[in-house]
Amino acid sequence: QSALTQPASVSGSPGQSITISCTGTSSDVGKYNFVSWYQKFPGKAPKLIIYEDIKRPSGVSDRFIGSKSGHTASLTIFGLQAEDETDYYCCSFAGIGTFVFGTGTKVTVL
Amino acid sequence: QLQLQESGPGLVKPSETLSLTCSVSAGSISSNNLYWAWIRQPPGKALEWIGSIFFSGNTYYNPSLKSRLTISVDTSKNHFSLNLTSVTAADTAVYFCARVRGSIPVTPNWFDTWGQGTLVTVSS
Repeated sequence: QSALTQPASVSGSPGQSITISCTGTSSDVGKYNFVSWYQKFPGKAPKLIIYEDIKRPSGVSDRFIGSKSGHTASLTIFGLQAEDETDYYCCSFAGIGTFVFGTGTKVTVL
Repeated sequence: QLQLQESGPGLVKPSETLSLTCSVSAGSISSNNLYWAWIRQPPGKALEWIGSIFFSGNTYYNPSLKSRLTISVDTSKNHFSLNLTSVTAADTAVYFCARVRGSIPVTPNWFDTWGQGTLVTVSS
């Protein structure tokens, strides 16, 4: 069970769009439509922003869009804002009760 | 609104056992279509799923920790617990407990509610 692969860092200017990739295998990302994404600020608990590949919980900004193709899931942040600067993690279901997280991506707003 | 709270020692000696409890309030731990999980984050590193448990007691462990790990549930106290034996400095991390939900009838597959996390340091 290896961690999902994310870019270490992604950056963009305010108002731009950025995309974070999350690459897994045929045993996790490629097998189930169960990728979730979490926003993580230092010293805080992770916050769910996308679940089941593309769904967004109520209260989460519609600037966050999830997608997936094959073994790679993606999180796109449209209209980047200073408040979006933090760490993001993907997570895939890998069988009943089991999960694997991504390596994490630091988003910087230039 | 459901709340989770981790509790346990903040300092554990090498080779000893790390024990944490997650207390669930404003909701029942015995609900169908829910799992309960432990996740950790070592300083400066990524989140890592540790294991999950259903209220019936069915457990699912990260293979890398399985030989040292026990997760249990006490429905009468509405809490679940983690025991990790033979700890080393590599087990130093912030430990989170979380609820795992799913869109009925789909199996639980996302973490929707988290505890605030508790830092456990392994050091003599």
